[in-house]
Amino acid sequence: SAVISQKPSRDICQRGTSLTIQCQVDSQVTMMFWYRQQPGQSLTLIATANQGSEATYESGFVIDKFPISRPNLTFSTLTVSNMSPEDSSIYLCSVSNARDEQYFGPGTRLTVT
Amino acid sequence: AQKITQTQPGMFVQEKEAVTLDCTYDTSDQSYGLFWYKQPSSGEMIFLIYQGSYDEQNATEGRYSLNFQKARKSANLVISASQLGDSAMYFCAMRVESNYQLIWGAGTKLIIKP
Repeated sequence: SAVISQKPSRDICQRGTSLTIQCQVDSQVTMMFWYRQQPGQSLTLIATANQGSEATYESGFVIDKFPISRPNLTFSTLTVSNMSPEDSSIYLCSVSNARDEQYFGPGTRLTVT
Repeated sequence: AQKITQTQPGMFVQEKEAVTLDCTYDTSDQSYGLFWYKQPSSGEMIFLIYQGSYDEQNATEGRYSLNFQKARKSANLVISASQLGDSAMYFCAMRVESNYQLIWGAGTKLIIKP
């Protein structure tokens, strides 16, 4: 299994500000995924981050709002820009291993006031 | 269309009893994988068990087993000897070979009663 850490674990932010979430994995992985889970919902994929290339965003998510960096095979960041209360969610990073098992980080619980 | 259906929004189970959480899936892909995750109130998403579509035997991990019935397109999670710490949301998910994205069910909220 992969051990994934995220920082911060939670934050309360004001409308209009930005927050950068960090994701660190204990092994090298090709693909890292960023998900959002709005209150009472299941997970929605925001984007897939491959090292050395631009992230691939899912429908409804854009780079200006959710810029992603992937500087190496063990680390990625997701920024939530110009936040509004609708961005209040749990944000999770995720990786797959060679057995196709998919693991998640502990999540970042974001509240926007 | 690919879809995961969890028909039980909530369940109450007595401690030490076995629990079956239902999951049915729909896909036309021949190669796919099925996942179960546990999400306690802390919000983390804990991987429990994985079943590949070509795996001949049902997956097991400790107290968790996956009752995979391919013809019926069902992948129920069975938790034996439930414990109070099993109280959480449980999500079934699927990934097909043609798409790396996980497709999620709506989840089942499981509450274990002492």
